[in-house]
Parts: sequence; structure tokens; C-alpha cells
Amino acid sequence: KAGVTQTPRYLIKTRGQQVTLSCSPISGHRSVSWYQQTPGQGLQFLFEYFSETQRNKGNFPGRFSGRQFSNSRSEMNVSTLELGDSALYLCASSSQPGLAVGNEQFFGPGTRLTVL
Amino acid sequence: DAKTTQPNSMESNEEEPVHLPCNHSTISGTDYIHWYRQLPSQGPEYVIHGLTSNVNNRMASLAIAEDRKSSTLILHRATLRDAAVYYCIREIQGAQKLVFGQGTRLTINP
Repeated sequence: KAGVTQTPRYLIKTRGQQVTLSCSPISGHRSVSWYQQTPGQGLQFLFEYFSETQRNKGNFPGRFSGRQFSNSRSEMNVSTLELGDSALYLCASSSQPGLAVGNEQFFGPGTRLTVL
Repeated sequence: DAKTTQPNSMESNEEEPVHLPCNHSTISGTDYIHWYRQLPSQGPEYVIHGLTSNVNNRMASLAIAEDRKSSTLILHRATLRDAAVYYCIREIQGAQKLVFGQGTRLTINP
């Protein structure tokens, strides 16, 4: 079974631009969660999608958005990039939403975004 | 305020037990505690989770305090491959919210 894949793996953008990151979950998984990881803030939850619906959202500004397609693939978009958006963006998939009992999340390798 | 706090770093020796603490003093009765770890240059991976009673699996044990305000991840015999950042995560039921600790960077000395 293929794992979670994220594309691209590395990305360099400049301030003010927008970016779209992609995540393909494990086959059969319908839940996709996105996280931002920075040295200063650690791992922070962005949002979670389940069956094409945003299930919950972390404390990030509206510049961060996402969506999920009928095949469970998910995209994350960041508009008007700021220097502080430089981070590793991780995607995780699971069969059910959340971290409920027995519902392990499987993480992808991440997309490293650098904003210049 | 829902906070999950962990020490920034810990160090141990190979083949010795390691106890990684986590404080979640505002936890409510239905919130689960999960532990994930992140090996260098990899995404996080599941370690263990629990609610009230202590839990054991092939990777580790989880000891949850009786008042549930803290928990400890126990690696019984650390190996060099256990060097990673360990995250304690509180799952707030109802609010469907995950509260991450800042992670403990575990160094294992040979």
C-alpha cells in the first residue's frame, strides 16, 4: 500500500505570492489533515477534511485555505505569502476523522516552503 | 487555556529506560492523550495513545496519572533509532481539536 504523498517536496516563493500544496492520502483513507511545522512554534494543526468537508480548523488566518476532492486528495492554498509562512507543511491521512481510538494518522514527508 | 507542555529536550543512554513527561493540567474526562514521534527528516509517526489506564504496545508504554493532569511515555530500552522529537497531543473531544505539545527532542547516547 502506497503511503501518503505530498507534492512538491520543496518550494521557494516570494512574499505576496500564493502557493498550492497537494496531498494524496493512503488509498481508502477519507480524512486528510494539514499541519505546519516551524522551529519556533513546533507542530500546529491547520485543518482537517473528511469526505470533502472541512471538519475543523486551527488558529490560522484566512490566507490559509484548503479543499478535498471526491477522490480524497487534498490541496492547501496560502495566499499573500509572508516570510513567516516558511515552514514544513505536513499532511496526514486516516480512515476516520480526528485521532479517535484506533484511528492512527499516517504522515507524508512534507513540503518545505521557503518564502523569500 | 488548553495547553500541553513538554520539556524541550532530554538525553539518555542506549539500552536504558527513558521517561518522557507531558503536562496537560486542563484535560477533561473524555480527552485522549496521543504520542507521536518524528524521526529526522521524516513525518511524525504514531507511538501510543490512552485515556485513563496505562497502555502498553510493542513500541512503548503510556502511564497516565490518576488525576489525568500528566502522562509519561516510557521507552523501556532505548536504542539509537529512538532518537527523535516526541510529541504529546491532547485530543479535545467535542471541540474536535488537537493540542500539540512543543515536542521533546530525545538524544540517545551510545
